[in-house]
Formats: sequence, structure tokens, C-alpha cells
Amino acid sequence: EIVMTQSPATLSVSPGERATLSCRASQSVGSKLAWYQQKPGQAPRLLIYGASTRATGIPARFSGSGSGTDFTLTISSLQSEDLAAYYCQQYNSWPRTFGQGTKVEIK
Amino acid sequence: EVQLVESGGGLVQPGRSLRLSCAASGFPFDECAMHWVRQAPGKGLEWVSGISLNSGSIAYADSVKGRFTMSRDNAKNSLYLQVNNLRTEDTAFYYCVKPGDEGGFFEYWGQGALVTVSS
Repeated sequence: EIVMTQSPATLSVSPGERATLSCRASQSVGSKLAWYQQKPGQAPRLLIYGASTRATGIPARFSGSGSGTDFTLTISSLQSEDLAAYYCQQYNSWPRTFGQGTKVEIK
Repeated sequence: EVQLVESGGGLVQPGRSLRLSCAASGFPFDECAMHWVRQAPGKGLEWVSGISLNSGSIAYADSVKGRFTMSRDNAKNSLYLQVNNLRTEDTAFYYCVKPGDEGGFFEYWGQGALVTVSS
């Protein structure tokens, strides 16, 4: 099983500032990496797939990068509505596995 | 518009059973693999089970293998998860999930059904 490790656990960022979230896989997953956003009380929402492709309707301030074992989700200019937990997920092998999440707080 | 609506959650005692259902609409259900993903309250996401479009292939997480059974009825556009011999650690929101067309990632999520296992 591929273990996904996210850092930091919590990130506090001021509105308008950049937020950088990291995700590391225990072995290479190529570009088969997705990111999800989960706002309080809601189901997760797909943000990014293929490591860097934004899902339909996702604002351009969200971008993904990386390949192999190291990945990054960047929110270029944090908005108040970006308060949420963010999860990475690999889909290169079974079982599909998620990181433990990064909570983004508004400073 | 893709819609996934789970039902069947509730409070159940350890060792008992429950059947979760998911009503799908807005896409060709019989052309899509489907999955269940769960989330314990305040915790992270865990893939539980996945089923191919014709039920020919079904996979389970090790944590539920032998206790959970996933199935589908393409004529009813419905997905099911039979959960047996429930444990307190099975307490979670159970999400019905449709993968993306390119496969592997989870594009559409239902609102979740809460299963609480407690005596």
C-alpha cells in the first residue's frame, strides 16, 4: 500500500497570501495524483487530477505540480472561502490511498 | 447534472448489519465504475470499495474485506454497500463516489450517509 504524507497538518495564511501544501508518496505514483478540498460540513470536492489539471469550475488560483513522489498544491492568493481541509490521493495503484489532510486556516 | 444520494445510515449496535444505498442520476450509470469512500468524524478519507460497471470486478479495503459487500443494480441506477458485523471503528460518513472519465480519481461525491456503531 502506498502511504501518502501531507505537510503541514495545519497552515495559517492571511487573505491574499500564497498557501503551499505538500504531499509525499512512499513510492512513485507518476502523475496519478489528485487533490480534494473539503469545507466544514460538506463532502469533498475534486480540485486537481493528473497532478496539475484543474477540475471543471475550479478557480485558477488553485494549481498543482509535481510528479513521482513529491507534489504541491498552491493557492496563489488565499480567499476566505478557501478555509477547508485539503487531501491528496494517489490512483496509481490499489488500494487508492489518501493523505491525512492539511487544514488551511485564515489568519 | 450528476447526483449521488446516499441513504440507509443510522445508529446500529456492534455486530449488527446495515445496508447503504446510493441513487445515481445525471450520467450513464451502467457505463461507470463506482466506489464507496468513508470518513470517520473529524478524521481523514479512506477508500472502502469499488465495483466495475458490470459488477465483474469488486475490490475492498483490507479493513472491511469479508464484512462488507458492494453491489449495484444498473436497471435501477443504484449502488449498495451491505455492511455486516459492524465495529465501532466503522463509525463514519459513507460517501458514494463516481470516478472521473480518466479513472482513478473521484470526481463526484454524494452528501454522505452517517453510520454510527455504538452500544
